[in-house]
Amino acid sequence: SQKIEQNSEALNIQEGKTATLTCNYTNYSPAYLQWYRQDPGRGPVFLLLIRENEKEKRKERLKVTFDTTLKQSLFHITASQPADSATYLCALPVSSGTYKYIFGTGTRLKVLA
Amino acid sequence: DAGITQSPRHKVTETGTPVTLRCHQTENHRYMYWYRQDPGHGLRLIHYSYGVKDTDKGEVSDGYSVSRSKTEDFLLTLESATSSQTSVYFCASGHGNEKLFFGSGTQLSVL
Repeated sequence: SQKIEQNSEALNIQEGKTATLTCNYTNYSPAYLQWYRQDPGRGPVFLLLIRENEKEKRKERLKVTFDTTLKQSLFHITASQPADSATYLCALPVSSGTYKYIFGTGTRLKVLA
Repeated sequence: DAGITQSPRHKVTETGTPVTLRCHQTENHRYMYWYRQDPGHGLRLIHYSYGVKDTDKGEVSDGYSVSRSKTEDFLLTLESATSSQTSVYFCASGHGNEKLFFGSGTQLSVL
């Protein structure tokens, strides 16, 4: 079955630097992949969706890449700010043609002022 | 923000008692989901619904049942709660191959 691996260790970076988070998946390559942000005590909030035919997607300071050969997505936050501190989750369909989604365990990002 | 509300927000119950969690959405989303979130496991899908009266199991469905009699409501029932079901439960909804909107979660403690 499809599995997702995200670095479970927290990532600490200095304010102003670029944070890069990794999402690796096994088995089949999904048609798209999603990234969410989760703050403590809150539900995840959607950030970006990238499709298999899109190498890169940008939204303000966020950039997501999707490499189906490596079975990997990278999530970048440029010019990071303390307010970017949160847990970031990637998600993708369980299998082709379904809208059942599995999530990675998430990577906790802390941006130090 | 999408209108998704979960109730209750917090619940403490005893082992062996039935528990029902409610999710209500006002976005006319076809798809609705129940996830549980535990440290070290992340979000795990319990059940999901692809329409009224249409549901399917997720990866951790044992001990849980769901019902969806109306588009806007998706109920999760623990027939006989166990301590292993202590968790934070999130409901989500969406149109399909797009983003999911999540509720604020229900903290359930089974003593």
